[in-house]
Parts: sequence; structure tokens; C-alpha cells
Amino acid sequence: EAGVVQSPRYKIIEKKQPVAFWCNPISGHNTLYWYRQNLGQGPELLIRYENEEAVDDSQLPKDRFSAERLKGVDSTLKIQPAELGDSAVYLCASSRADTQYFGPGTRLTVL
Amino acid sequence: EDQVTQSPEALRLQEGESSSLNCSYTVSGLRGLFWYRQDPGKGPEFLFTLYSAGEEKEKERLKATLTKKESFLHITAPKPEDSATYLCAVQAGGTGGFKTIFGAGTRLFVKA
Repeated sequence: EAGVVQSPRYKIIEKKQPVAFWCNPISGHNTLYWYRQNLGQGPELLIRYENEEAVDDSQLPKDRFSAERLKGVDSTLKIQPAELGDSAVYLCASSRADTQYFGPGTRLTVL
Repeated sequence: EDQVTQSPEALRLQEGESSSLNCSYTVSGLRGLFWYRQDPGKGPEFLFTLYSAGEEKEKERLKATLTKKESFLHITAPKPEDSATYLCAVQAGGTGGFKTIFGAGTRLFVKA
């Protein structure tokens, strides 16, 4: 069974530029999560989808972050414009029940 | 406030030296507690799920236990390949929805 796929793996941009991350979850997993992980810390939830519906986006900075999950399968997380403090690893996870399975993450560096 | 605290922050062991990692939590409506292993540059890898106090799960040299306030990850006779960051996560909530809260992790170093 293929795992969660994320791209790109690494991204370096200058501040104020836009950036987008893509995630393809494990087949059959209806729930998709986007997390941000800063160095030395645990992942922090940004948004959770149940199929196409965003059911928890309370931690998503909506002034600059947006996400979509069209057709309830793959998802895109966008930042526009990026700030220096957005440098982190962005993780995508999916689940069918309680257990979440993570992708390798996208390491974002904002200069 | 819901909270998950892991200790110690870092742990250095000699190969074969058994020890335990702690995850204490304060949440309303525990649905499950999860342990993950994370290697540098990779996403967290699922290890165990525990649902109720008294439950135990084992996998190779790892054993996870759960009480009403904390969970322990016991490592028996660790090997250098067990070196990683171990993350604890708690899923909590009621019928209105749930949330997942991660601890900051324990970085384990096992020396040959």
C-alpha cells in the first residue's frame, strides 16, 4: 500500500513570495490533516478535512494560509505571502479511523 | 487547557540500557493516545495506539502503557538503530468533534 505522498520535499523562497504544497493521501482515507512542525517541537494541526469539508481550521492563519481538497482526495496548502516565521516542515497525514499516517513533509525555508 | 508534556526532552543510553519515556496529558474526553517515531528529515511513523487505562501494546523492544494521566514508552535493551525522536499525541474531544495534540517529543540517543 502506497503511503502519503507530498511534494515538493524542499522549497526555498524569499519572503512575500507565494508557495504551495501538495499532498496525496493513502487510498481510502477520508480524513486528511495538514500540520506544521517547527524545529524541536511536535506537529501542530493547521487544518483537518473530512472528505471535501474542512471540519477544523481553527489554527490556520487565514490571512495568509489557504487550503483546498477538491474531490475529497488530494489537497493543496498555500501560503501567500510567505513570512520569515513560516519556515518549518509542513506535514500531511491521512486516516481512515483514529490512527494518522504521515507523509515525509515539505521543508520550507523563507529567506 | 488541554496539554501534552513529554519527558525527558533528551535521553542518552548505552546499548542494552533499558529505560522509559514519559508522556503526561491533561485533556477532556480522551479518545486515544498515540506513539510515533520520527527520524531526521522524515515524517512521524506510527508505533502504537492506546485507548483505555491499563492497556499495553508491544512491538519488538518497545512497550507502551497507559494510565489515566500518563503513558510510558518502555525501551528494553535498546540498539543504536532505536535512536530517533519519539512523539506522543493525544486525541481528545466529544461528539462535536475532536482534536489532536502532540507533545514536543523525546530525542533518544543510543550509543553502541
